[in-house]
Amino acid sequence: QKEVEQNSGPLSVPEGAIASLNCTYSDRGSQSFFWYRQYSGKSPELIMFIYSNGDKEDGRFTAQLNKASQYVSLLIRDSQPSDSATYLCALTGFQKLVFGTGTRLLVSP
Amino acid sequence: GAGVSQSPRYKVTKRGQDVALRCDPISGHVSLYWYRQALGQGPEFLTYFNYEAQQDKSGLPNDRFSAERPEGSISTLTIQRTEQRDSAMYRCASSFGRGGSNEKLFFGSGTQLSVL
Repeated sequence: QKEVEQNSGPLSVPEGAIASLNCTYSDRGSQSFFWYRQYSGKSPELIMFIYSNGDKEDGRFTAQLNKASQYVSLLIRDSQPSDSATYLCALTGFQKLVFGTGTRLLVSP
Repeated sequence: GAGVSQSPRYKVTKRGQDVALRCDPISGHVSLYWYRQALGQGPEFLTYFNYEAQQDKSGLPNDRFSAERPEGSISTLTIQRTEQRDSAMYRCASSFGRGGSNEKLFFGSGTQLSVL
């Protein structure tokens, strides 16, 4: 089993809808969880991080963490075509950051 | 510098040649990471440094790969006797602290390596 699992997508949503991106992980010792966005041909950039169970909101983005279920998600409200990118879930165990394969999101006008 | 700088941006080499990839982290950043990213995949951890000390090299695929950061700033990833399977985007990232569970990484633009 991979350390970080994501559906590769693509996930297609219409403009203005909520996009829900999901990630599961295998290591219960994982402490911190990150969502990176990567546009095609570009480098990953951090958009959200979460350490504690529950929800964390930042603008149109909400990260949700459930350590008991080993599940982390990212909600994007009022999705825009400019949100079309690959979203990488990442986590840290012992210092190094481990990434999932990413979910490709397509937001249609 | 303003961001993480990597050079060269593209490197084409013949199988069997050695290559050296350079990373200049954000000024003042203590930790430096190397990742490899294949098309359609997430970044794969290779190694990381705190200052000049290599803390974890568990992700280096084999002994043809090595990395150094002799003065705690610029780092070089060296691949000896390159093989076609080494072709990928090599990404460097840096972070302010010593690494750990709350570190946020800033990535460079990467070096696209093609081994013919």
